[in-house]
Amino acid sequence: GQSLEQPSEVTAVEGAIVQINCTYQTSGFYGLSWYQQHDGGAPTFLSYNALDGLEETGRFSSFLSRSDSYGYLLLQELQMKDSASYFCAVRASSNTGKLIFGQGTTLQVKP
Amino acid sequence: EAQVTQNPRYLITVTGKKLTVTCSQNMNHEYMSWYRQDPGLGLRQIYYSMNVEVTDKGDVPEGYKVSRKEKRNFPLILESPSPNQTSLYFCASRDRVNYNEQFFGPGTRLTVL
Repeated sequence: GQSLEQPSEVTAVEGAIVQINCTYQTSGFYGLSWYQQHDGGAPTFLSYNALDGLEETGRFSSFLSRSDSYGYLLLQELQMKDSASYFCAVRASSNTGKLIFGQGTTLQVKP
Repeated sequence: EAQVTQNPRYLITVTGKKLTVTCSQNMNHEYMSWYRQDPGLGLRQIYYSMNVEVTDKGDVPEGYKVSRKEKRNFPLILESPSPNQTSLYFCASRDRVNYNEQFFGPGTRLTVL
């Protein structure tokens, strides 16, 4: 089967740094994406890694190690508004629209 | 404004009464998908479409139909809804070049009694 594993919940304080891990087991791999979803809202795209290494976008960074089938999302200088669910997603095929999502990690930021 | 729209946003219906959830995007995207989101299960793909008249099953297609007669529209049809189809549904689109960034609609919360 195909699966993505993420922690279900993470708690951190304002101003801190938090890392959300994602390990995947898929038939193919053509990139790892991260999405943010606030309660009741639509998921919004955060970042994407196709190659190994770190991608930085402001306070958010995403890392990929294809040899370890592993990636993470790093959130720095946490703000209360970062409280949300975060999903990793793998594009498992090069020519179809199929994305496989993890179950999501709920991040709670405390004052 | 670039967006994906869905209608209705909320729907309560009864078992067996056919319904359609519409989805439309104004970004000229080739790819469109439908997902359902259930607690603890994340987002699961129902159907996707790579272009007009090209559709394929995702992970949970049973009980659903789709059509793609125009590039901008991708309706989701439940011919005979059942209570286990109570869920939050999202439509999404992306283009062929920036294929890693999906744009999601606002969601449709469906309750089947």
